[in-house]
Amino acid sequence: EAGVAQSPRYKIIEKRQSVAFWCNPISGHATLYWYQQILGQGPKLLIQFQNNGVVDDSQLPKDRFSAERLKGVDSTLKIQPAKLEDSAVYLCATGTGNSPLHFGNGTRLTVT
Amino acid sequence: DAKTTQPNSMESNEEEPVHLPCNHSTISGTDYIHWYRQLPSQGPEYVIHGLTSNVNNRMASLAIAEDRKSSTLILHRATLRDAAVYYCSRQGGGGADGLTFGKGTHLIIQP
Repeated sequence: EAGVAQSPRYKIIEKRQSVAFWCNPISGHATLYWYQQILGQGPKLLIQFQNNGVVDDSQLPKDRFSAERLKGVDSTLKIQPAKLEDSAVYLCATGTGNSPLHFGNGTRLTVT
Repeated sequence: DAKTTQPNSMESNEEEPVHLPCNHSTISGTDYIHWYRQLPSQGPEYVIHGLTSNVNNRMASLAIAEDRKSSTLILHRATLRDAAVYYCSRQGGGGADGLTFGKGTHLIIQP
């Protein structure tokens, strides 16, 4: 089966610019997560979707981050405007029921 | 916030067993314990998970303490390909919530 696809693989932007990341889940996976992983740390959950509805966005900095999952399939995560501390790897993970999560390889964002 | 704590790094020799500890003293009764590992420039990869009983799969074994305040991931015979960062994480909501990761253990395998 095809894995979780993320793009772009790398992105470099200047602070105050905007950026968007895209995730294509494994077919049939209803649950989709976005994680932020700062260098040297474990991934931190930003938002969880169940189909196209938000289940948990308590750790999403809503003043600058937004995410959507139209039609319950692909998802995009946007940052506007970016800050230096947003430099991190943004991971998308998908799953179904109580099954283990499948992670993509992430988008590495560098904000200068 | 129910965190997990792990040693920053561990070292082992190839073909020997490895025991990776994790402390989750504030875990709730319905939280699952998950282990994932991550290679450089890759996303985390699932290793094993459990709730109360010990679990075995083709990759590893998971030993969960009777009081569930700690667990140990066991790699029975380490290979060089097992060198990675191993994350102990908890999943709340009876398995419906997202994973809460610790800082991970960097496992070094010596040939």
